[in-house]
Amino acid sequence: EDQVTQSPEALRLQEGESSSLNCSYTVSGLRGLFWYRQDPGKGPEFLFTLYSAGEEKEKERLKATLTKKESFLHITAPKPEDSATYLCAVQSLSGGSYIPTFGRGTSLIVHP
Amino acid sequence: DAGVTQSPTHLIKTRGQQVTLRCSPKSGHDTVSWYQQALGQGPQFIFQYYEEEERQRGNFPDRFSGHQFPNYSSELNVNALLLGDSALYLCASSLFGQGSNQPQHFGDGTRLSIL
Repeated sequence: EDQVTQSPEALRLQEGESSSLNCSYTVSGLRGLFWYRQDPGKGPEFLFTLYSAGEEKEKERLKATLTKKESFLHITAPKPEDSATYLCAVQSLSGGSYIPTFGRGTSLIVHP
Repeated sequence: DAGVTQSPTHLIKTRGQQVTLRCSPKSGHDTVSWYQQALGQGPQFIFQYYEEEERQRGNFPDRFSGHQFPNYSSELNVNALLLGDSALYLCASSLFGQGSNQPQHFGDGTRLSIL
């Protein structure tokens, strides 16, 4: 059974204080690892897809990296508008199915 | 370009009742997945529809059923509602059908409360 663990559960930063969120996973046959952002009362918004170890992707102040066991979402010089819950999900070939598995998320608050 | 739309936004039901939630996928998408998100948890996969058939199913009882129409829109039906069914129900759409590892586009969900 696929497992996804995100840490920390909650993170408070000052504006401009860079940090990283962690997503550890256990899957058989990774087909993709996804990062989403979710604002309160909204659905998840797609950020990145990573397909293989060593891959990196960037978007504005966010950079996602992937190893064989974990992914990091690095936030550089965050702003208050980066406050949200960040979700990690994996999709793997498990028993012939492609059921995506989400972590519980990291709640990020950036103070001005 | 319309994204994923869900209706209704909020719904209150009592135990034992039945409910139907609706979803229209993003324009150009052919695959619809449904998720249940309890408070403080990540989304949990219920099932996925492609070409009007249920293609994959998560660990949910048969009380949860669905349908996909020829225009790719979809419904989620839940029978014999339990208090534990209270959650945000999310619909997500994507392209290329079963087995796709393309990113999903989510709607803002239906908040279902069971009294």
